Amino acid sequence: DTGVSQNPRHKITKRGQNVTFRCDPISEHNRLYWYRQTLGQGPEFLTYFQNEAQLEKSRLLSDRFSAERPKGSFSTLEIQRTEQGDSAMYLCASSPGWGPYNEKLFFGSGTQLSVL
Amino acid sequence: TQLLEQSPQFLSIQEGENLTVYCNSSSVFSSLQWYRQEPGEGPVLLVTVVTGGEVKKLKRLTFQFGDARKDSSLHITAAQPGDTGLYLCAGAGGNNRLAFGKGNQVVVIP
Repeated sequence: DTGVSQNPRHKITKRGQNVTFRCDPISEHNRLYWYRQTLGQGPEFLTYFQNEAQLEKSRLLSDRFSAERPKGSFSTLEIQRTEQGDSAMYLCASSPGWGPYNEKLFFGSGTQLSVL
Repeated sequence: TQLLEQSPQFLSIQEGENLTVYCNSSSVFSSLQWYRQEPGEGPVLLVTVVTGGEVKKLKRLTFQFGDARKDSSLHITAAQPGDTGLYLCAGAGGNNRLAFGKGNQVVVIP
């Protein structure tokens, strides 16, 4: 199965620590998205890449958050100086492009972050 | 911001019953998707609707896109316990990304 892969599945950290998550998208997909989801909410957009270019960042993404996709393949999301409010499921998704019938996302299983 | 409101937020029904959930917005979307999400997993795409008034069927699930492309409904016939999950609608506008509603949590009791 060559679906979207995210690692780790779960991360527990202490407040103030840095964490990094990895996402491997479906290989032929040039768009990669990061979303955050808290309990009882739908996924909230954080940022997306077209190949290696980061084209949009949400205002939800504070200066403590940074995302990269250096070679247009896998992506990393780093959170510095974590806060308890960062606790959430971080979802990565990839897409074949944009346009009618292409505006659909293939999600990974997510990384569940708990900040103590 | 394109806001998608889903109702009801929570629905519990007996196996074999029918149900309908809704996704509404004041914005027009070029397309709308429905996803189903199970606990601890990412959402899985069920269907994409593009044309106003479009109806799509996926086994016992029927999806309809409003004529004005601002709303959608999902109808499940003879619900099964395997239909339990969080149903998310997501709309695509002109900003190259999907905006999600909060979801309809459906529980089908055996």
